[in-house]
Amino acid sequence: EVQILETGGGLVKPGGSLRLSCATSGFNFNDYFMNWVRQAPGKGLEWVAQIRNKNYNYATYYAESLEGRVTISRDDSKSSVYLQVSSLRAEDTAIYYCTRGRSFDYWGQGVMVTVSS
Amino acid sequence: DIQMTQSPSSMSASLGDRVTITCQASQDIGNNLIWFQQKPGKSPRPMIYYATNLANGVPSRFSGSRSGSDYSLTISSLESEDMADYHCLQYKQYPLTFGSGTKLEIK
Repeated sequence: EVQILETGGGLVKPGGSLRLSCATSGFNFNDYFMNWVRQAPGKGLEWVAQIRNKNYNYATYYAESLEGRVTISRDDSKSSVYLQVSSLRAEDTAIYYCTRGRSFDYWGQGVMVTVSS
Repeated sequence: DIQMTQSPSSMSASLGDRVTITCQASQDIGNNLIWFQQKPGKSPRPMIYYATNLANGVPSRFSGSRSGSDYSLTISSLESEDMADYHCLQYKQYPLTFGSGTKLEIK
């Protein structure tokens, strides 16, 4: 069974930083691209970042609205993907989802990040 | 960036109605589009892949179609469990972009 579990959310002050983790199991992690998607309260979905697998040299891609403040990374030995977000702003308040592959076929339950003083 | 213009933003329909939600792409995306369903408090669930292919386990009343740059998700006969938000996603080009979402309510 595919499982995806995000951790690391919480309350952060504006200007702060946060590292989200996504632990996976139940599939061959090495074969898959991984994504982060976020959803602000009451709003639609926003793609944040994607990291490809080793076959594609772990290439990374980012939403322009976050580029320069966000870094996606992965550790294939731990079947995990990470999202480092810095210079956090109120508008970064959202549920952050980790999702599998080019087809976004499996999603975690999401982790809430609240940016507030 | 490719803009995905989704309509309507919300709608209300009766059980048994035929419902159609549309996303219009600002550039050519081929069939590189996914439709998601998201129920309140839940994670999104893919419903349609590659514009027209039903995902595993999705009821056959759901279908996807394309006409030029317009992509549609159709529910042939609305059921109460279909009340949800629906989102489209283009994955033809980075940055990947979602439509703004459609809130579907049951009358």
